[in-house]
Order: sequence, then C-alpha cells, then structure tokens
Amino acid sequence: DAGVTQSPTHLIKTRGQQVTLRCSPKSGHDTVSWYQQALGQGPQFIFQYYEEEERQRGNFPDRFSGHQFPNYSSELNVNALLLGDSALYLCASSRGIDFNYGYTFGSGTRLTVV
Amino acid sequence: AQSVTQPDIHITVSEGASLELRCNYSYGATPYLFWYVQSPGQGLQLLLKYFSGDTLVQGIKGFEAEFKRSQSSFNLRKPSVHWSDAAEYFCAVGPMIRWGKLQFGAGTQVVVTP
Repeated sequence: DAGVTQSPTHLIKTRGQQVTLRCSPKSGHDTVSWYQQALGQGPQFIFQYYEEEERQRGNFPDRFSGHQFPNYSSELNVNALLLGDSALYLCASSRGIDFNYGYTFGSGTRLTVV
Repeated sequence: AQSVTQPDIHITVSEGASLELRCNYSYGATPYLFWYVQSPGQGLQLLLKYFSGDTLVQGIKGFEAEFKRSQSSFNLRKPSVHWSDAAEYFCAVGPMIRWGKLQFGAGTQVVVTP
C-alpha cells in the first residue's frame, strides 16, 4: 500500500523564481495538507485541501498557493521565492470525514533557494 | 494562544536506558494529541495518538504516552531505547474538528550512546 508520495525530493531554485511541488495522497485518503519545516524547527501548517477547495490556511503569504485535483493529488506553488523559503515541505494526507485516522506524512521535498 | 512546548531540545541517553520526552500544550479545548518521529532527511512517522478514553496510549516501536489533563501534558516514554531510536521527536496537537490542522512543538533531538 503506497503511502504519501512527494516529488521532487530535492530542488534548488534561484531567488525570485517560482516552484511547484507535488503530492499524491495515501490510497483511501481525500484530504491533503501542506507543512513547511525550516531547519531545526517543527513543521508549520500552510494550508489544507478537500474536494478541490482550500479549507483552512495558516499564516503564510499569498505567494503560497495550492491546488487539489479530482484524483485527490495536490500541488503547492510558491511564487517570488525568497531565501527564507528554503525548507523541507511536507505533504500529509488524511480522510476528511474521519479524523480518527490521523495524518500520514510523505518524506518531503527539500527546497533550497539560492 | 495555542502552543505546544517541548522543553528539552536535546537528550542523550544510553542504549538500554529508559527515555522520557516531555510535551506540554496550551489549547482552548481538549485536543487530539500526537507524537511523531523524524529520522534525518525523512518525513514524519506517527508513533501514537490520543483521542479519548484510556489516558495511557501504546504506540509503535515500544513507545507509550500518558495524557494528563490536569497538567496539560502528553509525555512520551520508552522503557529501553535502541540505537535505532536516535531521531527527532515531535509532539503535535490538533482540534477535534473536521478540518484540523496540526500544531507542532519545536522537537526534541534524541542521541543514543553505546
């Protein structure tokens, strides 16, 4: 049973560029959340998608946007990259109708902005 | 304000010794509680979760955690650590609602010595 799949695993971008990260949720999961984990810190919630709509958003600027597709996969887009956007980006999936299942996390995408 | 505190940034423990990681939270209502483990360069793996019922929760890899409502704590324990337990451990809380976001502590780095 495949878990949460994220791509790419590593990415290097230049300041000012745009980046797209991708996530395929665990089989049976329909809700996708994105987290940013800066070095030495705990993950910070970016936003959550269910039924192709953003349901909840954390304290991140509009440069961070997302999308969920009919097959439940999701993309995280970051525009006008800043050096401070360098982090591990984690995708987590869950069953929206049953939180008792908790979240399953992917291995993340390591983004380095130079 | 909601917060999760892991007082110990770094813990060193000998292989075979017991381990206890502390977690305190501040939350408006009784939240769902989680412990995750993260190995270097990896995503987050769920060790255990508490939703309701018995306040002593058993998890994977021989870990257990105890929820103490009066102390707003959810400490993680393991009777005898193995070298493979060296990792970073995160406590997280989430609301008992459908669109829950997880709020993480800053993490505790565990080093296991021979």
